[in-house]
Amino acid sequence: EPEVTQTPSHQVTQMGQEVILRCVPISNHLYFYWYRQILGQKVEFLVSFYNNEISEKSEIFDDQFSVERPDGSNFTLKIRSTKLEDSAMYFCASSDPGASTDTQYFGPGTRLTVL
Amino acid sequence: RKEVEQDPGPFNVPEGATVAFNCTYSNSASQSFFWYRQDCRKEPKLLMSVYSSGNEDGRFTAQLNRASQYISLLIRDSKLSDSATYLCVVNPKGGSSNTGKLIFGQGTTLQVKP
Repeated sequence: EPEVTQTPSHQVTQMGQEVILRCVPISNHLYFYWYRQILGQKVEFLVSFYNNEISEKSEIFDDQFSVERPDGSNFTLKIRSTKLEDSAMYFCASSDPGASTDTQYFGPGTRLTVL
Repeated sequence: RKEVEQDPGPFNVPEGATVAFNCTYSNSASQSFFWYRQDCRKEPKLLMSVYSSGNEDGRFTAQLNRASQYISLLIRDSKLSDSATYLCVVNPKGGSSNTGKLIFGQGTTLQVKP
């Protein structure tokens, strides 16, 4: 069964450093998403992406965040200057516009720890 | 009012019990509804979509009441492996658009004991 993959599984970085989280969505999916989950809190939407541009973004997704689809398979989330409060699980998701339901499928996540 | 509200629990039940979770949502225009399951420190995994007519998948039954903006999940004959956090999820832009963000509830924790 096709699945969303994410790398790395765990990233440790120093405050102020840039990080890039990588995702490979399911191959025939065209909508891509990033969510985050701070430990003990609910999953929160960050951004959705379609046709090489951002469709929607949340208040969390400020100028420090950017997304990119650098090639036909990868979808990345960049945080330019990490803060302590960026420590969280980051989940990538994708969905198929041709499917009968609008289900989003999630990757296993990247645990980001900012020291 | 929270966008999606759930009782966090925990619900501690014996194996074989029937347990029900409820969820309310604030946006009456919401289009798509889901229950996801999340194991500790893992990704959310789709358990089932929720339709107005109600739907059943084995031991799991989901119901949607649009008038009351209320979603439910019933688990019959609980198994140890059902222990997890159950997330009520709403897509305000669901249906054919597929561009909408998912709004998650806090989750309800279920612990099934032998």
